[in-house]
Amino acid sequence: QMQLVQSGPELQKPGTSVKVSCKASGFDFSTSTIQWVRQARGQRLEWIGWIVVGSLSTKYAEKFQETVTISRDMSTNTVYMELSSLRSEDTAVYYCAAGGSLRTWGQGTKVTVSS
Amino acid sequence: DIVMTQTPLSLPVTPGEPASISCRSSRTLFDSDTGNTYLDWFLQKPGQSPQLLIYTLSYRASGVPDRFSGSGSGTDFTLKISRVEAEDVGVYYCMQRIAFPRTFGGGTRVEIK
Repeated sequence: QMQLVQSGPELQKPGTSVKVSCKASGFDFSTSTIQWVRQARGQRLEWIGWIVVGSLSTKYAEKFQETVTISRDMSTNTVYMELSSLRSEDTAVYYCAAGGSLRTWGQGTKVTVSS
Repeated sequence: DIVMTQTPLSLPVTPGEPASISCRSSRTLFDSDTGNTYLDWFLQKPGQSPQLLIYTLSYRASGVPDRFSGSGSGTDFTLKISRVEAEDVGVYYCMQRIAFPRTFGGGTRVEIK
């Protein structure tokens, strides 16, 4: 079945970067779209961006335009989301999800930004 | 950005009774080129990732019970549960995908009375 498995929790200092991975299985990775969404405690879900795996086309929310990079590795069916210049406000659970309508979600990766 | 507004914030329900959640968008989610309305519904059960329930206004995702239905048009949408079951507790979110960035409603927490 379709499955997305994300990397483990991260603790990072302000000003540094974090790279979260999302490994896909059970579907045709090369024709998929993978999106990233985050959820801070008590906040609504927030869309970060997406990658069209086959074309490498990416789109980011304007808020993250300068700090996020979404990439993919076709050899391992893995998508990465790197967030730089981390601030405490970036503390959240980060999810990857497959499909235009977010049909399948990863288990989430907790990223904590603290000095 | 399109603003999504959900009501109510919290919804106590009795098992076996119907329930309804509303979602409103700040502009139409109807695409006249495709004839589709790009509004999706998700349920986030306690301690879990969100899961897709309804896509493109009214299509149930795979494995979703038929007690869940989505309806609406333009800017006003409704998710209905015909008979609530205990396993339906959690936070429900609507999301628009007619425009970037995708945006979500603030969530409706459904709990058993």
